[in-house]
Amino acid sequence: GAVVSQHPSWVICKSGTSVKIECRSLDFQATTMFWYRQFPKQSLMLMATSNEGSKATYEQGVEKDKFLINHASLTLSTLTVTSAHPEDSSFYICSARDPRGAGQPQHFGDGTRLSIL
Amino acid sequence: AQTVTQSQPEMSVQEAETVTLSCTYDTSESDYYLFWYKQPPSRQMILVIRQEAYKQQNATENRFSVNFQKAAKSFSLKISDSQLGDAAMYFCAYRTYGQNFVFGPGTRLSVLP
Repeated sequence: GAVVSQHPSWVICKSGTSVKIECRSLDFQATTMFWYRQFPKQSLMLMATSNEGSKATYEQGVEKDKFLINHASLTLSTLTVTSAHPEDSSFYICSARDPRGAGQPQHFGDGTRLSIL
Repeated sequence: AQTVTQSQPEMSVQEAETVTLSCTYDTSESDYYLFWYKQPPSRQMILVIRQEAYKQQNATENRFSVNFQKAAKSFSLKISDSQLGDAAMYFCAYRTYGQNFVFGPGTRLSVLP
């Protein structure tokens, strides 16, 4: 079964609203989670690294004030797209680093399809 | 910075035949991991196969196998006895211990009946 839960799977909202996406590790503690974005017909690109109890590390070109990341517990990281606009429409997917396995495997959530009207 | 290249944007294979997807990467690290992920229309990321760079033996998972050439920085995926359900986007990915994935641009595989 799934070890990482991502919610919601699909959201449609009006331009200017804020949207929160949750990434939850179900049976392990994830001190580090990663957020990726995938535009249509493109690959996954890292947006930011989320570390429990500290500030997220953002990739170049990703606005930290627009994409707020909170990793307040060892099992939950949230990505909030603030004042979303149509150009923010994309597929957002998280992965969580599992400290238990050899090489610290990472498990993906099922992703969130965000559509801004 | 590490980069991953997939030179085949699209590939097709006849059902029951064999197809090979290409991947090359660039890194200065000596210890890392390589992956092939399958992404069907649902957009879930499904792990197909994984290879540790320190292992000389090529990884295999049922009908899926890799040809890992460390010196050439090449990591190709061979799918044998292709099935209709194999049709999807395939991403080659690299990461080091504990770090994020770096993905290639992907190869769209079609399986012809």
